[in-house]
Amino acid sequence: QLQLQESGPGLVKPSETLSLTCTVSGGSISSSYYYWGWIRQPPGKGLESIGSIYYSGSTSYNPSLESRVSISVDTSKNQFSLRLTSVTAADTAVYYCANTWYYKVTWGQGTLVTVSS
Amino acid sequence: EIVLTQSPGILSLSPGEGATLSCRASQTVTNSYLAWYQQKPGQAPRLLIYGASSRATGIPDSFSGGGSGTDFTLTISRLEPEDFAVYYCQQYGTSMWTFGQGTKVEIK
Repeated sequence: QLQLQESGPGLVKPSETLSLTCTVSGGSISSSYYYWGWIRQPPGKGLESIGSIYYSGSTSYNPSLESRVSISVDTSKNQFSLRLTSVTAADTAVYYCANTWYYKVTWGQGTLVTVSS
Repeated sequence: EIVLTQSPGILSLSPGEGATLSCRASQTVTNSYLAWYQQKPGQAPRLLIYGASSRATGIPDSFSGGGSGTDFTLTISRLEPEDFAVYYCQQYGTSMWTFGQGTKVEIK
C-alpha cells in the first residue's frame, strides 16, 4: 500500500523559497498513470490544490500560484518535491502531498509551514 | 479548471438523523474521479469515498457516495456524535485537482 511522508523546514522567512519533499514508500514513483501532487490548507480555511506532476513528467499548476511554483520528481530517491518562491505570510499553511492512480487516492499526513521573520 | 460547489454550507442536524451533502461540478468529472473527505479540527482530512462511490478502508457503511457527471452526493445514513465535522469533495479527473469549499455538519 502506497504511503507518503512530507518533510522540510517548518519555518520560512518572507521573500525566501519554500521547499518540501514527499517520500514515497510501497510503490515506485515512476509507475505508469500516477499523478503526484501538492495540496495546502491555510489555518482556518479550506483545501487548495497547488499542482501536480504526471508520471510522464508533465506538470499542471494552480493559476494563482503558477508564477512561483514548481514540482519535480527524483526517481533515484523515490521522492517528489515542491518549490514555492517569494513566499509571504499568506503562504502559511499545512502542506500535504498526495497521489492519484485511476480511482485511488492517497495523502500524506501533512506538514505545517509558517512564513515569518 | 473544474469548479466544485458544495451545498449547503452548514447543515444543522441531531444525532441519529440522516444527512445528504451535495457537490456540483462546473463540468463533467472524468470517470467519476470524485472523492469525499471528513475533517475535524486540528486533524488532516480523512478519505471517506473515492471514485464517487467506493468506501475507503475502515469507513463504516453508514457513509455512502453516489452520482456521476456533474452531480454527486455524500449520504450519512445515521449521524453519530463523531460524524459532526467539515466535509469536502475533490475532483481528480483532470491534472488540476480541485476542491469544494466544504459543508459543515453541526449539532442542532
